[in-house]
Amino acid sequence: EVQLLESGGGLVQPGGSLRLSCAASGLSFSSYAMNWVRQAPGKGLEWVSIISGSGVTTYYADSVKGRFTISRDNSKNTLYLQMNSLRAEDTAVYYCAKDRVTAAGTGGYFDYWGQGTLATVSS
Amino acid sequence: QSALTQPASVSGSPGQSITISCTGTSSDVGGYKYVSWYQQHPGKAPKLMIYDVNNRPSGVPDRFSGSKSGNTASLTISGLQAEDEADYYCSSYTTNSTRVFGGGTKLTVL
Repeated sequence: EVQLLESGGGLVQPGGSLRLSCAASGLSFSSYAMNWVRQAPGKGLEWVSIISGSGVTTYYADSVKGRFTISRDNSKNTLYLQMNSLRAEDTAVYYCAKDRVTAAGTGGYFDYWGQGTLATVSS
Repeated sequence: QSALTQPASVSGSPGQSITISCTGTSSDVGGYKYVSWYQQHPGKAPKLMIYDVNNRPSGVPDRFSGSKSGNTASLTISGLQAEDEADYYCSSYTTNSTRVFGGGTKLTVL
């Protein structure tokens, strides 16, 4: 059974940084691209970033490009999201989601989701 | 990376059918077969319901079906049941190799 467990959320001041983690189990982790998807309180889903199974290729939403960095450690079956220069509008539940594909630059879908971790940006 | 357009809300009575639309552009919905749909109950993580326009993952009832015409994809739920009441989101692959979601549709079962 595929399980994804996010951690690292919390309260941070505007301009601060936070690093989210997603521990995966029950799958051949390096065989799949992984995504971060966020949901602001009371709002819809917003795709944030994707990383290929190898970790070589990454893509970002315009809203986070240059501020967020996605990475993965396949030896630890763990996905990361480094969030810098945080803004109030980054406040959201952050979900990690497994992709159907290995390569980040091809079409896919999100077939497994974690339960999310809440990041709150506020002074 | 503009969000795909979905109606804010739809409703139907038990046993009826409803359809949720998802409109994008030729750079996303219209350009690829990679449209998927997700169901989200309050306080829960999203769940994949339809992938590649019209395919259902194992375990999803056949009451759920998907289609696409041009730049608009649709999710149809037939034989509505109380447990279908939830938020529904479409998603598509884009020409920039990114992904995009719709704004979400709240389904109310009357």
